Amino acid sequence: ELKVEQNPLFLSMQEGKNYTIYCNYSTTSDRLYWYRQDPGKSLESLFVLLSNGAVKQEGRLMASLDTKARLSTLHITAAVHDLSATYFCAVDMGTSYGKLTFGQGTILTVHP
Amino acid sequence: DSGVTQTPKHLITATGQRVTLRCSPRSGDLSVYWYQQSLDQGLQFLIQYYNGEERAKGNILERFSAQQFPDLHSELNLSSLELGDSALYFCASSYKGGSYGYTFGSGTRLTVV
Repeated sequence: ELKVEQNPLFLSMQEGKNYTIYCNYSTTSDRLYWYRQDPGKSLESLFVLLSNGAVKQEGRLMASLDTKARLSTLHITAAVHDLSATYFCAVDMGTSYGKLTFGQGTILTVHP
Repeated sequence: DSGVTQTPKHLITATGQRVTLRCSPRSGDLSVYWYQQSLDQGLQFLIQYYNGEERAKGNILERFSAQQFPDLHSELNLSSLELGDSALYFCASSYKGGSYGYTFGSGTRLTVV
């Protein structure tokens, strides 16, 4: 059974600081997705990572995928308050893509 | 607006009742996926349909069923509801199996009292 683990689960940051969220998964996969969720809201797609070594950046967020290490990272640069949200990674595998297994989520709070 | 439409947004019902949640995928997307988000279980995959056919099943209870219609909208039916079924139910759709990602709807919040 595929397991996806994120750490940390809670992250309190100061504005302007950098930090990384880690996503480890237990079974070989070359498809990983990052989502953002605001309280009570939908899941907003941030990054789609489809191969080993994939790196994508959007604004202050950068995501990477190392399929050999079964690890993805979401790096936050110079955090701002608007980045406060819950971030999920999700791994896609098997013969039927779309059966995403999600991590527990990382609750990010950015303080002034 | 993600393009995936879910109705209703909120639903409050009593234990033992049956409800139907509806999802319209983005234009052009043939696949629909249902997920449940609860505090204790997190986000869990329930079921997938592709162009009207069931393609994959996850942790979906026997009391739950789904279907996808010829116009590609999908319905998730939840019956004999229990307090523990209270959760956010999301529908997602995709084009070409997720190569371009999965787009989620705004969800239906179900409260069973």
